[in-house]
Amino acid sequence: EAGVTQSPTHLIKTRGQQATLRCSPISGHTSVYWYQQALGLGLQFLLWYDEGEERNRGNFPPRFSGRQFPNYSSELNVNALELEDSALYLCASADRVNTGELFFGEGSRLTVL
Amino acid sequence: GDSVTQMEGPVTLSEEAFLTINCTYTATGYPSLFWYVQYPGEGLQLLLKATKADDKGSNKGFEATYRKETTSFHLEKGSVQVSDSAVYFCALTPLSSGSARQLTFGSGTQLTVLP
Repeated sequence: EAGVTQSPTHLIKTRGQQATLRCSPISGHTSVYWYQQALGLGLQFLLWYDEGEERNRGNFPPRFSGRQFPNYSSELNVNALELEDSALYLCASADRVNTGELFFGEGSRLTVL
Repeated sequence: GDSVTQMEGPVTLSEEAFLTINCTYTATGYPSLFWYVQYPGEGLQLLLKATKADDKGSNKGFEATYRKETTSFHLEKGSVQVSDSAVYFCALTPLSSGSARQLTFGSGTQLTVLP
């Protein structure tokens, strides 16, 4: 069974540009979570989607947005990139009986120059 | 709001040493508690979990006990191996109507085990 897959693995952008990151959850999982892992700051919760709806968002500005598609895949968009957006962006999925166990992808490394 | 506090790293141990990584939490109600591990170059994976007070989670020789009275979930292993070198994250999720919400993570503890 395929795990959570994320693309691209690495992405380099300049300040002010937009970045789009993609995530495919484990087959059968309906929830997708996005986390930002900046150097030395641990994992910060960004967004949670379930059944196509945004269920919750973390303490990030509106230029961080996303969506979940009918096949439960998801994308994260970051507009007007700033240097401090450089981080590893992790996607995780969970199944319908969500007990809190998340399955993580390997992440997308975004570098903003 | 909910929060998780982990002991600061990095932690360096010799092989076969005893490991303790402290974790305390602040949350309303009775959250579920987790330890996740991130090996170099990989995503996070669940190591163990506990869903109610006094539960002990265990996996791969690691153990942690859900202590409601001290709001703690310390990770222990009696004899670490070089292959245990990784970053360890403590996390919690509140349960609402029996379903979890997002996980809140601690800052992570880097463990290096030397041969």
